[in-house]
Amino acid sequence: DTGVSQDPRHKITKRGQNVTFRCDPISEHNRLYWYRQTLGQGPEFLTYFQNEAQLEKSRLLSDRFSAERPKGSFSTLEIQRTEQGDSAMYLCASRSGLREQYFGPGTRLTVT
Amino acid sequence: QQQVKQSPQSLIVQKGGISIINCAYENTAFDYFPWYQQFPGKGPALLIAIRPDVSEKKEGRFTISFNKSAKQFSLHIMDSQPGDSATYFCAAHSGGGADGLTFGKGTHLIIQP
Repeated sequence: DTGVSQDPRHKITKRGQNVTFRCDPISEHNRLYWYRQTLGQGPEFLTYFQNEAQLEKSRLLSDRFSAERPKGSFSTLEIQRTEQGDSAMYLCASRSGLREQYFGPGTRLTVT
Repeated sequence: QQQVKQSPQSLIVQKGGISIINCAYENTAFDYFPWYQQFPGKGPALLIAIRPDVSEKKEGRFTISFNKSAKQFSLHIMDSQPGDSATYFCAAHSGGGADGLTFGKGTHLIIQP
């Protein structure tokens, strides 16, 4: 399978704990995106990497959120001191120089 | 501020009928308009996309109609099938601005057999 992959698919955590998600983009896609989707809503843009450089961050990305793409390949999204409002589906997408963005299956986060 | 407005929120269509979903945008800098299909528990899958230099694009049973002056675009699903039952999202992107897609709120489509 050469699509975008995400791990884990589901994560249940207690409020206040830290969580980390991983995204592996389509090979040779130099751009990688993170989105958040809550129930009944469309995905909302969080941040964007071109190769290893983080070029754009939404104001939705609070100080508790950090994303990295250290070697320009996979990316991680960490949420520190999770809150119940962080419960959502976290989606990763990638693209090449063309405009089409391809999404992974997402990581469903539940904060109890 | 919702930059892409999508309607209807939900839609029921008989098998074989035409499903029509509409979107309107405000930001004239948007220059790429994709549609995504999402099944429960899955990520969005790209269906079809259009740029504003054309008024219509067709791929199989899916057609996008685009009206640049009205800042509106729509998805038509011809010969709708039960397997088309899903949530559909329109989106917009500006090549010169923030690089993330701006999505509508989605349309939950049910095709009745």
